[in-house]
Amino acid sequence: NAGVTQTPKFQVLKTGQSMTLQCAQDMNHNSMYWYRQDPGMGLRLIYYSASEGTTDKGEVPNGYNVSRLNKREFSLRLESAAPSQTSVYFCASTAGKAANTEAFFGQGTRLTVV
Amino acid sequence: QKEVEQDPGPLSVPEGAIVSLNCTYSNSAFQYFMWYRQYSRKGPELLMYTYSSGNKEDGRFTAQVDKSSKYISLFIRDSQPSDSATYLCAMRASSASKIIFGSGTRLSIRP
Repeated sequence: NAGVTQTPKFQVLKTGQSMTLQCAQDMNHNSMYWYRQDPGMGLRLIYYSASEGTTDKGEVPNGYNVSRLNKREFSLRLESAAPSQTSVYFCASTAGKAANTEAFFGQGTRLTVV
Repeated sequence: QKEVEQDPGPLSVPEGAIVSLNCTYSNSAFQYFMWYRQYSRKGPELLMYTYSSGNKEDGRFTAQVDKSSKYISLFIRDSQPSDSATYLCAMRASSASKIIFGSGTRLSIRP
């Protein structure tokens, strides 16, 4: 029972480099999310996808793009990494149905931009 | 103003104490209220979930929601060292809407 799987777990980038964080869930969930977590800031929503084929901006979308590739996969891309994007990134998914609102999280990706 | 405000802590209490964690919010559309627990270097895990106003109890944990005051609380009775973690409140307006988290409270239970 994999749940939500994120890759990679760790990454170091140089300023200006690009990369894509991958996320996949095997629970047949409709909604998927990308958050970043910084000390003292809690989880801040970057982008979310309420259902396959839709994406919406969250609280801190600048500098990021997302793709809901299919129902299982939701990727986050940094086109030109900046030191301010150093953070721990979490992907999450929910069923998107009234009876079940629990969000399941991946193990996180620790990204450092130097 | 942030949609969800949470007492930042950190909070350190002796084992066996009653712990109270709190959040306030500004969006009256929020209907679903959750508490997540996050251990160091792990992803958050759902601890408690409440729909609309009222109380919900699960073992040593009690979640309270007061929609008239836009205020939610999590109480931990007979706290244990294993309860040491960061606790995050979270809210959403509907089952398909975005989930907004508080900033988290780091809790430490001293043996």
